[in-house]
Amino acid sequence: AQSVAQPEDQVNVAEGNPLTVKCTYSVSGNPYLFWYVQYPNRGLQFLLKYITGDNLVKGSYGFEAEFNKSQTSFHLKKPSALVSDSALYFCAVRDMDSNYQLIWGAGTKLIIKP
Amino acid sequence: NAGVTQTPKFRILKIGQSMTLQCAQDMNHNYMYWYRQDPGMGLKLIYYSVGAGITDKGEVPNGYNVSRSTTEDFPLRLELAAPSQTSVYFCASSYSQSSSYNSPLHFGNGTRLTVT
Repeated sequence: AQSVAQPEDQVNVAEGNPLTVKCTYSVSGNPYLFWYVQYPNRGLQFLLKYITGDNLVKGSYGFEAEFNKSQTSFHLKKPSALVSDSALYFCAVRDMDSNYQLIWGAGTKLIIKP
Repeated sequence: NAGVTQTPKFRILKIGQSMTLQCAQDMNHNYMYWYRQDPGMGLKLIYYSVGAGITDKGEVPNGYNVSRSTTEDFPLRLELAAPSQTSVYFCASSYSQSSSYNSPLHFGNGTRLTVT
């Protein structure tokens, strides 16, 4: 069965420092991977996706993600964190066994401290 | 640009009551989804629809029903509310062609439901 894991419930980063939010996946076949962000009392917003091609994917708000096939990872990164980046981040993978519906990680709370 | 609109934003139900969560999108998306979000659990798919007149069960459909009579609307019905249905419910939509699974989902702002 397809699955996705976000091993950290919370990540704390000082403003201006680089940030990484981790995601690992397990799929049969080629992975379709996504990152979404959720601000308080709001719905999720799409950040970026990996379907094929370059392993480094660039997305909204200065975020990027690195696809690593050998480590089955898709970590979200940003070179310099902003306080406004504080939010809940979700990784998701397409489930080829369930009509290509998304399987979601449990989410990682990112806290950026001034 | 309304996007995906969900109503109501909050609701408190007594056990056994019924209600309908409304969802409408104005982007002419063919796919629509209902998810529930519980703390530390990510999102669980309740039902989805690939177009008007077509619906299918997701991962956690028990206790819920849906209909899709138009492209724009996708209401979620709770017939006999139970405390286990206390959650935040999100509606989402996307435009997907049969050979493409790349389209991002557009989410509403959610309905926070408490069943007591």
